[in-house]
Amino acid sequence: DQQVKQNSPSLSVQEGRISILNCDYTNSMFDYFLWYKKYPAEGPTFLISISSIKDKNEDGRFTVFLNKSAKHLSLHIVPSQPGDSAVYFCAASAKETSGSRLTFGEGTQLTVNP
Amino acid sequence: KAGVTQTPRYLIKTRGQQVTLSCSPISGHRSVSWYQQTPGQGLQFLFEYFSETQRNKGNFPGRFSGRQFSNSRSEMNVSTLELGDSALYLCASSLEGRSFNEQFFGPGTRLTVL
Repeated sequence: DQQVKQNSPSLSVQEGRISILNCDYTNSMFDYFLWYKKYPAEGPTFLISISSIKDKNEDGRFTVFLNKSAKHLSLHIVPSQPGDSAVYFCAASAKETSGSRLTFGEGTQLTVNP
Repeated sequence: KAGVTQTPRYLIKTRGQQVTLSCSPISGHRSVSWYQQTPGQGLQFLFEYFSETQRNKGNFPGRFSGRQFSNSRSEMNVSTLELGDSALYLCASSLEGRSFNEQFFGPGTRLTVL
């Protein structure tokens, strides 16, 4: 039972354009959402997060949007750069009592072409 | 501040053997979580330790176990290895293990079971 799903295994974008990565979830208990970026042979690194009390969070070129009614979130990268090429994981956590347990999606391989 | 370290980085074992992986969290972090990453499956949560106690457990068989020491270092053990245990094992540390605490990942241990 995949509670967090990233339906696009890969995405290819031209440098300078917008990259939009999507994520859907099914568990209504999730109240905190995160995006991680992973390069080969490295562990995931935290990118940006959003609490369920917000619908948007922005950090430089990265913006995460949360649509609670649709149980959908997306990550926008503007403008995209070749160095953004990596696997992006969406993750979610339930309320505080669950500690630091994260539920991850399968990941989306983003390729930004020069 | 040093990041999360994991040893060994690579490991080759045969079916039926057992293996122990080690994780040293960032200094001051008290929560350590373990994840298994396999192709197409994303990251699957194994367990979380906080102050030497297992606080959360994922849906893995009892062959997977762990522990945490008083200095917050953690070990994970897999007994009676199966071919399907071949994966990247990632450890993550966070300050208090709250859902909103950022988790910092190590580079992982690549386990191959022959």
